[in-house]
Amino acid sequence: AQRVTQPEKLLSVFKGAPVELKCNYSYSGSPELFWYVQYSRQRLQLLLRHISRESIKGFTADLNKGETSFHLKKPFAQEEDSAMYYCALIASGSRLTFGEGTQLTVNP
Amino acid sequence: DGGITQSPKYLFRKEGQNVTLSCEQNLNHDAMYWYRQDPGQGLRLIYYSQIVNDFQKGDIAEGYSVSREKKESFPLTVTSAQKNPTAFYLCASSMRTGGGETQYFGPGTRLLVL
Repeated sequence: AQRVTQPEKLLSVFKGAPVELKCNYSYSGSPELFWYVQYSRQRLQLLLRHISRESIKGFTADLNKGETSFHLKKPFAQEEDSAMYYCALIASGSRLTFGEGTQLTVNP
Repeated sequence: DGGITQSPKYLFRKEGQNVTLSCEQNLNHDAMYWYRQDPGQGLRLIYYSQIVNDFQKGDIAEGYSVSREKKESFPLTVTSAQKNPTAFYLCASSMRTGGGETQYFGPGTRLLVL
């Protein structure tokens, strides 16, 4: 069965510092991976997916199949990036499996 | 926002009582989902439905029931068999299940036990 692990429940950085939210997964096949974000008082929403290889709000994430990781990175964090971030995985023909989430706080 | 709505925003349940959470979407999506969100545990799938009149159990279906009589509606009933129902419940929908489809989430319902 697939599993997603986010080792950090809380992450705090200062504005302008680089930030990396870690995500590791276990699945023997080729998964599709996502990052979802939930800002305060807003709905959970898709941030980015690995298949698109895009940068959203300055965030990027690279799928590393060798390390089974999909870490989310941003070179210069902003206060508005403070939110709960969830890594998620879809295995072939299956449904979305979420990690436990990381609460990011960007301090001024 | 919009497209997928949940009601009520807050719901209180008494001991031994069944309560129903509403989820409606006007996105013409085939698939709908119910998740439970607890601090430190992420989102856990309760039930999902790929098409009208069909649904499957998720990872934590015990104590819950659903129906999918209409494409746009997927109500969740929290039964008295659910011993720890206090949580934030999220409904979501997508065009289909699997295949990397983006899920769109509702605003959530917070259930509290009296």
